[in-house]
Amino acid sequence: EAGVTQFPSHSVIEKGQTVTLRCDPISGHDNLYWYRRVMGKEIKFLLHFVKESKQDESGMPNNRFLAERTGGTYSTLKVQPAELEDSGVYFCASSHYRSGRANEQFFGPGTRLTVL
Amino acid sequence: GQSLEQPSEVTAVEGAIVQINCTYQTSGFYGLSWYQQHDGGAPTFLSYNALDGLEETGRFSSFLSRSDSYGYLLLQELQMKDSASYFCAVREEGSYIPTFGRGTSLIVHP
Repeated sequence: EAGVTQFPSHSVIEKGQTVTLRCDPISGHDNLYWYRRVMGKEIKFLLHFVKESKQDESGMPNNRFLAERTGGTYSTLKVQPAELEDSGVYFCASSHYRSGRANEQFFGPGTRLTVL
Repeated sequence: GQSLEQPSEVTAVEGAIVQINCTYQTSGFYGLSWYQQHDGGAPTFLSYNALDGLEETGRFSSFLSRSDSYGYLLLQELQMKDSASYFCAVREEGSYIPTFGRGTSLIVHP
């Protein structure tokens, strides 16, 4: 079974540019989460989809961040315009909705975003 | 809100036993998870405790004391490949969203 995949693995952009990150969850996983980790700090929650619906987006830092999950499959996270403080590693994770192990989230390898 | 405390770094030698502690504050505790992350890799689920006591999975064990708002991850027979960051994460009642600690960097020496 394929794991969670993310694209790109690295992205270096200039302040003011736009970047779109993609996440493909494990097939059949209804829950999809986005997180961000700034170096040396905690893995911080951004938002949670259940299928195509945004269940919780309380962690989104501001309206420069837009997440979508059309059709309830893959998800994109767009940052527009990017600022220096947006640099970090963006992780995507998925889990099965009704699994007894819904606590277990499967993480992707992350996208390392550097804003110059 | 929630907060978690775990040591920033722990060092140990190969073959030894190491314990990584995690204390938390939360309004409605549901469960505590542990994740492992190697440099440049994806965090990987290790264990989950909802009830008091010790859960053992091979060389790794996780303990929870709800009354003390405390848990730990115990790694036995340490191997070089265990060098990684270890995160504890708390779930609140009614939420699927875990709150992660800052992670503990475990360095295993030969």
